[in-house]
Amino acid sequence: DAGVIQSPRHEVTEMGQEVTLRCKPISGHDYLFWYRQTMMRGLELLIYFNNNVPIDDSGMPEDRFSAKMPNASFSTLKIQPSEPRDSAVYFCATHPGQGDTGELFFGEGSRLTVL
Amino acid sequence: AQSVAQPEDQVNVAEGNPLTVKCTYSVSGNPYLFWYVQYPNRGLQFLLKYITGDNLVKGSYGFEAEFNKSQTSFHLKKPSALVSDSALYFCAVRAVTYGNNRLAFGKGNQVVVIP
Repeated sequence: DAGVIQSPRHEVTEMGQEVTLRCKPISGHDYLFWYRQTMMRGLELLIYFNNNVPIDDSGMPEDRFSAKMPNASFSTLKIQPSEPRDSAVYFCATHPGQGDTGELFFGEGSRLTVL
Repeated sequence: AQSVAQPEDQVNVAEGNPLTVKCTYSVSGNPYLFWYVQYPNRGLQFLLKYITGDNLVKGSYGFEAEFNKSQTSFHLKKPSALVSDSALYFCAVRAVTYGNNRLAFGKGNQVVVIP
């Protein structure tokens, strides 16, 4: 398997623009997590899905952020409108399922810069 | 509740010397414990985990960690550090409770191995 695949790897945009980050999970992994990493706050869990259903979105910063998982092979994290403080590296991670010991498999991340 | 503390911001060690990265955790009940490594501009990579059994766990790249329940610690160790071990190291914990799929990450420790 190719692992968790994220795109784009780098995104530079201007304040107010819409940003969409994409994630393709490892096939057969039922859980998908979106994390944000910044120097100041470290790794923050934004939202996670189980079998395509959002389970916990309490980490989503505000209404400008939304995440979807229309099928088992694809998830998106959208920011609209974007702001400079959203600049961070966004990671997608997956694990096989309930009962598993919970080791996460991370993608390479999407580095977002909002000017 | 579950949390991890990594008390040191940066660990400096000379090449060939032993390396220790400290981690203490707090959970209700039993823990699953993990160490991840992050190289520059990359995602987090799994190093090792403690689930149950032997308190000394061996992982990738010659790393090991010792689970100490009385001290609630899970320190990462390597007998002889390499320059290529320079990276950011994260400790993480997950409480072993039904329905809990969240990992709590520490803030990370930057390890610098000096040639």
